[in-house]
Amino acid sequence: NAGVTQTPKFRVLKTGQSMTLLCAQDMNHEYMYWYRQDPGMGLRLIHYSVGEGTTAKGEVPDGYNVSRLKKQNFLLGLESAAPSQTSVYFCASSQPKTSGILGLTKNIQYFGAGTRLSVL
Amino acid sequence: DAKTTQPNSMESNEEEPVHLPCNHSTISGTDYIHWYRQLPSQGPEYVIHGLTSNVNNRMASLAIAEDRKSSTLILHRATLRDAAVYYCILRDKDDYKLSFGAGTTVTVRA
Repeated sequence: NAGVTQTPKFRVLKTGQSMTLLCAQDMNHEYMYWYRQDPGMGLRLIHYSVGEGTTAKGEVPDGYNVSRLKKQNFLLGLESAAPSQTSVYFCASSQPKTSGILGLTKNIQYFGAGTRLSVL
Repeated sequence: DAKTTQPNSMESNEEEPVHLPCNHSTISGTDYIHWYRQLPSQGPEYVIHGLTSNVNNRMASLAIAEDRKSSTLILHRATLRDAAVYYCILRDKDDYKLSFGAGTTVTVRA
């Protein structure tokens, strides 16, 4: 049961370098998300996608770009890494369930194990 | 967005129940109450969620106050594996995003 797989698990970059983080899910989920978590803090949403070919900005999108060319993959790009982007990055996916006036009754997010990124 | 307030930390003994409180006095009628937990060096995992009624699943129970301004996550018999950060999150019925706060760090003593 793979679930949500993130690659790489660790990465060290120099300031100004670029890289792409890959998230793959095998649950056929419609929605996917990228979060970052700084030490001692909760997760903050960077970007998300509600379907193949769509992306949207979250709470902290600056300095990041994303693409969702295939339903199962969600890529997070850093074009010019900065020390402030040192963090742990988590990807998640979900399959929403709606029910009339109750709205989105269920939208459980399944998370990957994270990518630890250091920018020197 | 409606916010939640949780204690920073809680301690428990193994095999004893743990009651994790969450205050959400500004909750709206369309907010679902979610709980996720994050084990050390792992991504968060879903625990339970509810709207108005108490909920039970294999992991925990969720007790929701009648006025919905607070809720309590109950771990019936804590194990060492339950040591984690527990997040109480409100989500509007039409929203699919989650907003994580700092959560409650639960320590379980053997």
